[in-house]
This record gives sequence, structure tokens and C-alpha cells, in this order.
Amino acid sequence: DARVTQTPRHKVTEMGQEVTMRCQPILGHNTVFWYRQTMMQGLELLAYFRNRAPLDDSGMPKDRFSAEMPDATLATLKIQPSEPRDSAVYFCASGLGYEQYFGPGTRLTVT
Amino acid sequence: QQQVKQSPQSLIVQKGGIPIINCAYENTAFDYFPWYQQFPGKGPALLIAIRPDVSEKKEGRFTISFNKSAKQFSLHIMDSQPGDSATYFCAASKGGSYIPTFGRGTSLIVHP
Repeated sequence: DARVTQTPRHKVTEMGQEVTMRCQPILGHNTVFWYRQTMMQGLELLAYFRNRAPLDDSGMPKDRFSAEMPDATLATLKIQPSEPRDSAVYFCASGLGYEQYFGPGTRLTVT
Repeated sequence: QQQVKQSPQSLIVQKGGIPIINCAYENTAFDYFPWYQQFPGKGPALLIAIRPDVSEKKEGRFTISFNKSAKQFSLHIMDSQPGDSATYFCAASKGGSYIPTFGRGTSLIVHP
């Protein structure tokens, strides 16, 4: 049963610290998405990769967020420095065409 | 600009009822309309999806109705069960980019 995996599942950090979230997409999928979910904003698209190339990161605050795919089995989302307003659940999803499969998310709390 | 508007924000029904969640879109280039189901502490999971060349699609107790001229689509849950209690998201995407635009979500509670 192929699944998207994300680590860590929970992260509590202090303001100003660097946070790195990792995602392993489903083998064979060629698209990877990073989303942020909050009660106020719902699901927001942060970044989108196809065949490991970044195609859309317009939803991502460029000054502090960065997303990369160093290889086909790993996608990373980094926040440096983190701020309390970054507290949210971050989801990675992978897909092949229209269908997307979400990971379990990383719940980030920045104090 | 919210391209996919979802309503209601929350919905409470009794077991056996038929909750209906509605979505309206603006971009006529959209050609794929999925619904996702999300349980607390979990990621959204693809539930059912429809293309604009059909007006209805059924999978088990879940049905999508699609009205292309009105640019609206809805999710119906037949014989709803307490286990259907979750948040439901509609979305729309178009070929080429495959980037979905999500609705804001509907929190459904099904009472026993």
C-alpha cells in the first residue's frame, strides 16, 4: 500500500529557529505539492514540483521559506527563521496527473 | 480571488440523512473536479472525482452532480453514517498544470 510519508509528524520550536520538513512521495509519481492548512486560510498551495523541477512557488513567502527536491524520493520544505504565524499543518502530496495523494502532515507550532 | 466557493461551512445531519455540499467555480478552463475527505489528524484523501463531460458520477454512497452551464457541482452522501463525519473539500483543476484550487471545506457531523 503506497503512501506519502512525512517527517516529523509534530514539531514545536521557538521563534527564529530553522525548521525542516521532509516528504517521501509515492514511487513513480512525478508531481509533488506542499500545502499549508490553517483554520483561517484553509488549504494553501506553497510549492509545486514536476519531475523534480520547481514550477510554482508563488504561494510561498520567499524571504523565509524554501522548497527543494534533491532527488525523486525526497522533498523538503524549510523555514528560516520561523515565526509564530507559521504555526499550521503542512501537507505534502504527490501525484501522477490529476489525482493527488496526501501525506499525514507535519503539525508545526512556533512559540 | 476565490475561484471555488464551497457551501455550507458546516452541516449536521442525522444518521440516514442525505447531506449535500455545493461548490461553484469561475474558471471555465477547469476540467477535473475532485472531492476530498479529511478526518481529524489526517491528510485529505481523494473520495470521488468527475470530468465535465458527464452530469453525475456514483461511487458507493457518494454521488457527484455536475452542472456545467451553471458552473456548479455538488456532493451527495446517501444513507449517511456517523463514520462519514469529516471535513469535505471540493477542488477544481485543469489539464497541463494539474494544480488544484480548493474550496474552504465543509465540516460534516452525522449524529447516530
